[in-house]
Amino acid sequence: RKEVEQDPGPFNVPEGATVAFNCTYSNSASQSFFWYRQDCRKEPKLLMSVYSSGNEDGRFTAQLNRASQYISLLIRDSKLSDSATYLCVVGPYNKLIFGAGTRLAVHP
Amino acid sequence: NAGVTQTPKFRVLKTGQSMTLLCAQDMNHEYMYWYRQDPGMGLRLIHYSVGEGTTAKGEVPDGYNVSRLKKQNFLLGLESAAPSQTSVYFCASSPGQVYSPLHFGNGTRLTVT
Repeated sequence: RKEVEQDPGPFNVPEGATVAFNCTYSNSASQSFFWYRQDCRKEPKLLMSVYSSGNEDGRFTAQLNRASQYISLLIRDSKLSDSATYLCVVGPYNKLIFGAGTRLAVHP
Repeated sequence: NAGVTQTPKFRVLKTGQSMTLLCAQDMNHEYMYWYRQDPGMGLRLIHYSVGEGTTAKGEVPDGYNVSRLKKQNFLLGLESAAPSQTSVYFCASSPGQVYSPLHFGNGTRLTVT
């Protein structure tokens, strides 16, 4: 079993849709949780950190469920510019592990 | 403010050749990481360092060596390149705290023929 697993993609959604991604992890000692986005094999860029109580940044909401060992990302009112690959990152902070990524394609 | 700088950006090697990828950061970060990314896969951790003079193995360390002689630099070496090492390599750094994200370099595209 992979240490970090994500929903398989791609997700094809119309503009304005709400879309949710999940990411499960196996290391119960994980302390750090992030969502990154990656465009066209460029370097990943931080989308948001995921805090224990959950957190929101504009149209993006992240949740952490330690008991079930997963994190989630909710994107509301999808924009064309949201099209990208979304990567979850989990681990103890000295050994952060990436999921394989979920591709999102937002169409007009 | 350069952040994380990787050199070179592109490189083509022949099987059996050696090379070193350089990662430099100017943010005084303790932690540095080398990842590789192959088509259809996420980033996989090769080696990492939690401070000057320290290194540790990640998920896919075979065929690579690393050194962290100075805090700001993290070198990734390929002693005898193989076609399976054709990949995009990303370096990242972090202050090394729970909510500290990774800061990435622009990547190095390596092709081994």
